[in-house]
Amino acid sequence: KQEVTQIPAALSVPEGENLVLNCSFTDSAIYNLQWFRQDPGKGLTSLLLIQSSQREQTSGRLNASLDKSSGRSTLYIAASQPGDSATYLCAAPNQAGTALIFGKGTTLSVSS
Amino acid sequence: ETGVTQSPTHLIKTRGQQVTLRCSSQSGHNTVSWYQQALGQGPQFIFQYYREEENGRGNFPPRFSGLQFPNYSSELNVNALELDDSALYLCASSLDRDLNTDTQYFGPGTRLTVL
Repeated sequence: KQEVTQIPAALSVPEGENLVLNCSFTDSAIYNLQWFRQDPGKGLTSLLLIQSSQREQTSGRLNASLDKSSGRSTLYIAASQPGDSATYLCAAPNQAGTALIFGKGTTLSVSS
Repeated sequence: ETGVTQSPTHLIKTRGQQVTLRCSSQSGHNTVSWYQQALGQGPQFIFQYYREEENGRGNFPPRFSGLQFPNYSSELNVNALELDDSALYLCASSLDRDLNTDTQYFGPGTRLTVL
């Protein structure tokens, strides 16, 4: 059964800092892993989806990596801005492929 | 914008009542999934519908039920509401039912408060 864990639960950084969010999963037989952003009380915005055949995906200041053998993914945010303040969630499909299994998220606060 | 819409945005009900939440998927998407997100938690899978049939279900009791219609709309029904049902309910649509090969697109959610 797939389980997804995110560390840390919360993170506060000053503007301009580079940071890394961590995601670990128990079932390494995944086909993909996805990172989402969620603003308070809002829905999910997909940031990056990494296929198992890829090691990294990049979008602007965001870079996500996937290491199936260690059961880990990281989301790297370069030159953080106050507008990056949100909760970041990672998710992987369950074995049957019928649902995404989410971590609890990391709540990021970037101060100006 | 994902092309997935949900209504209503917010809803307040009392314990024991019944509620219907609605979702409109992207045109052409045969699959819709519903998730419950309690405060401070990640979304939890409720169930998935593919071509109007339930295709998978999470650890939720039978008082959570759903319908999917041919016009790409769907409903989540919850009977006998409990205080713990207070949450953000998210629907997500995809072309196919296998998320190992397909991508889900999420709606903005409905915030349900049970008093």
